[in-house]
Amino acid sequence: QVQLQESGPGLVKPSETLSLTCTVSGASISDYYWSWIRQPPGEGLESIAYIDNSGNTYYNPTLGSRVTMSRDTPKKQLFLELNSVTAADTAVYYCARPKYCTALTCWGLDYWGQGILVTVSA
Amino acid sequence: IHMTQSPSSVSASVGDRVTITCRASQNIRSWLAWYQQKPGKAPQLLIYGASSLQSGVPPRFSATGSGTDFTLTISSLQPEDFATYYCHQGHTFPFTFGPGTKVDVK
Repeated sequence: QVQLQESGPGLVKPSETLSLTCTVSGASISDYYWSWIRQPPGEGLESIAYIDNSGNTYYNPTLGSRVTMSRDTPKKQLFLELNSVTAADTAVYYCARPKYCTALTCWGLDYWGQGILVTVSA
Repeated sequence: IHMTQSPSSVSASVGDRVTITCRASQNIRSWLAWYQQKPGKAPQLLIYGASSLQSGVPPRFSATGSGTDFTLTISSLQPEDFATYYCHQGHTFPFTFGPGTKVDVK
């Protein structure tokens, strides 16, 4: 059974860097694509970043150069860094696995972590 | 790609048939998924590939569509189906979600 677990600080100060880890069990992270999704309180869902099975990364242009996704394959961990955060980055952050992807077209996300609320506040 | 959903909310009773529509601003072929989300929980995949039922999802959920117009139908609403439903295109990155449709108690 595939399980994902997000971890990291729940409070980040404005202008600082948000750093999250997603620990995966039940799957090899080099066999699949993986993603980070976020959801501001009371709002909808937004794709932040994807990493493919080769380690290539894809970022939502709305976040510009602020976002970095990476992985540690032996440790089965995925990482998200978002710098220069503002209150608009306050959200529940999820890591999730696409059910199937080919050439960066994907069929939905079938495994999700429980999510971690990150609040940006001084 | 911009995704829209209608209605934004629907009030229904147990046993009702509920239909939600999703529209993409460009042709996404069949690269569409539907999710159910309950408060405080991660979304759960219901449908992938526009019409394929995810394993473990009850058959009262069904979906059709391709190109730009898609529909999710709950044939007979059950108490556990009151939730928010999202569509999600996986054709062109960044993969975008619809704004959601809240199904609540009439």
